[in-house]
Amino acid sequence: NAGVTQTPKFRVLKTGQSMTLLCAQDMNHEYMYWYRQDPGMGLRLIHYSVGEGTTAKGEVPDGYNVSRLKKQNFLLGLESAAPSQTSVYFCASSQPQTQETQYFGPGTRLLVL
Amino acid sequence: GQQLNQSPQSMFIQEGEDVSMNCTSSSIFNTWLWYKQDPGEGPVLLIALYKAGELTSNGRLTAQFGITRKDSFLNISASIPSDVGIYFCAGQQLPGANSKLTFGKGITLSVRP
Repeated sequence: NAGVTQTPKFRVLKTGQSMTLLCAQDMNHEYMYWYRQDPGMGLRLIHYSVGEGTTAKGEVPDGYNVSRLKKQNFLLGLESAAPSQTSVYFCASSQPQTQETQYFGPGTRLLVL
Repeated sequence: GQQLNQSPQSMFIQEGEDVSMNCTSSSIFNTWLWYKQDPGEGPVLLIALYKAGELTSNGRLTAQFGITRKDSFLNISASIPSDVGIYFCAGQQLPGANSKLTFGKGITLSVRP
């Protein structure tokens, strides 16, 4: 099992460009999450999904959209990137019964110039 | 929103030393968790605590769920170089789909050989 994988690993964008980050998990987990990690800020939840076709806002959703068309994939979109979105993005997944046990991907490092 | 407080931001210890870190909150949490993030990787769950007063060990790691349900601590004994990383505490107020994890800002641990 690959667990949680994220694509790409690293990306540089110019302000105003758009991109999609892809998260895939092969553990048949119902719940999936997108976090961002900034120095001194810890992990902050952007959006999450409790099942295929459902999404919900987290703590810092502005400037991001998500989609969960297939159970194994959770996409994070930036429509018009801003320098404030420079960060490391982590995807995670879990089962409903053990929601506290989240499995994280390796992260995507995004730099917006 | 809820906040989990971890300080200091960084700790430096000598190999072989014990280290203790704590996490406090003004809110009650019903589950306390400790995650570790190795450099360049996503966080991994170390220990989960479900009951006030609970003391749980995982190898050289010991964690406790505070009696007031507003704090937790993690102790690492006989530190080794691979203990280097960021240690996050996290809390969950209630089980269920809408009870997400709140993460602390993390403590970066350095171990001098």
